This record gives sequence, C-alpha cells and structure tokens, in this order.
Amino acid sequence: DIQMTQSPSSLSASVGDRVTITCRASQYIFNYLNWYQRKPGTAPKVLISTASTLQSGVPSRFSGSGSGTDFTLTIDGLQPEDFATYYCQQSHSMPWTFGQGTKVEIK
Amino acid sequence: EVHLVQSGAEVKKAGESLKISCQDSGHTRIDYWIVWVRQVPGEGLEWMGSIYPGDSHTKYNPSFEGRVTISADKSINPAYLQWTSLKPSDTAIYYCARVGGLTPYFWLDPWGQGTLVTVSS
Repeated sequence: DIQMTQSPSSLSASVGDRVTITCRASQYIFNYLNWYQRKPGTAPKVLISTASTLQSGVPSRFSGSGSGTDFTLTIDGLQPEDFATYYCQQSHSMPWTFGQGTKVEIK
Repeated sequence: EVHLVQSGAEVKKAGESLKISCQDSGHTRIDYWIVWVRQVPGEGLEWMGSIYPGDSHTKYNPSFEGRVTISADKSINPAYLQWTSLKPSDTAIYYCARVGGLTPYFWLDPWGQGTLVTVSS
C-alpha cells in the first residue's frame, strides 16, 4: 500500500495567516493526489484534485502544488471558516489511501 | 445533482449483524462508483471498498475484505455496507462517497453525512 504522510499533524494559526500543509507519498504517484477539508460534525469535502486543480466553488485562497512524491496545500489568508482538518488522498493505485490529517486550529 | 443520504446511527452489541445504506436522493439510479470510507474516532480515513451499482462490480481494500460486504440494489438505488458479526473495533463513522472525475483521475465528491456505528462488548 502507498503510505501518505502529512505534516504537521496540527498547527495553530491566526486569521489572515498563510498556512502550508505537506503530504508525502511513499511511492511515486505522479499527480494522483486530492485534498479534502473536514469540519467537525460534517462530511469531508474535496478542495483540490489532481494535485493542483481547484474544485468548483472552492475559494481561490486554497491552492495545491507538487508532483511525484511531495505535495503541498496552501491557504493564503486563513479565514475563520477554514479551521478544520485537512486530508490528502492518493488515487494512483488501490487501495486508495489517505494521510492522517492536519488539524488547523485558531491561535 | 448527486446528494448522498446515509441511514441513521446504530448502536449494536458485539456479534450482531448490521447493514447500513447510502442513497442518492437526487436520482432514481446510481450510475457511478460509490466508495465506503471508515473513520475510527481520533484516527484518519480509510478506503474500505468501492461498488458500481449498475452491475455490482466491487473492489475491496484487502484490509477489509472478508470482514464486510459491499452491495447495491440498482432497482432502488442504495448502496450497502454490512457486517455479519460486529466487533467493538468496528466502532467508527462510515461515509459513502461518489467517485468523481474522469479516467484516470478520480476523487471523492460528494460525501454522505456519515453513519456512526457504535459497538459495545
């Protein structure tokens, strides 16, 4: 199985901050990488697909980059509604696997 | 528009059986792949398996194969996740989600609201 390792596991940030979350795959996965946001008590929501494609309706302050084994999710100008847990997921090969999550908390 | 609605929370005892469902309230038929994802409290997300309700073609994560059964009833559209003998370690939130995208790129969107399954010993 492809292991997905996110860092950090949690972070504290203030409204307006730039936040960067990294995801590393244990094998080369090209750009088969998606990012999800999950707020407490709600289902995950896809933010970015194929490493860098912003899903419809997702604010432009979210961006994704990377290819191969190293990927990044950036939130440029953190907003109150962005405090949540973020997960990466590879769809390169089955079983599809997720990172362990990064919890973004209010400082 | 796809809108996945899952069955309600369940409280069970170890050894009991259970079947939970996932229905697309926006369509009469499901003509896309659906996945089941587990989230154990305090842990991450795990892909359990996928099903195409049109022909019930199923793929399992080896970690879950033999422990759960994923099925579908294309005539009334739900997808199902079932256990024949629950264990306390099955306590988790179970999500269904649609597989979106185009070959070879896939992602999960939208997701159902989740079904909390609690299994006591």
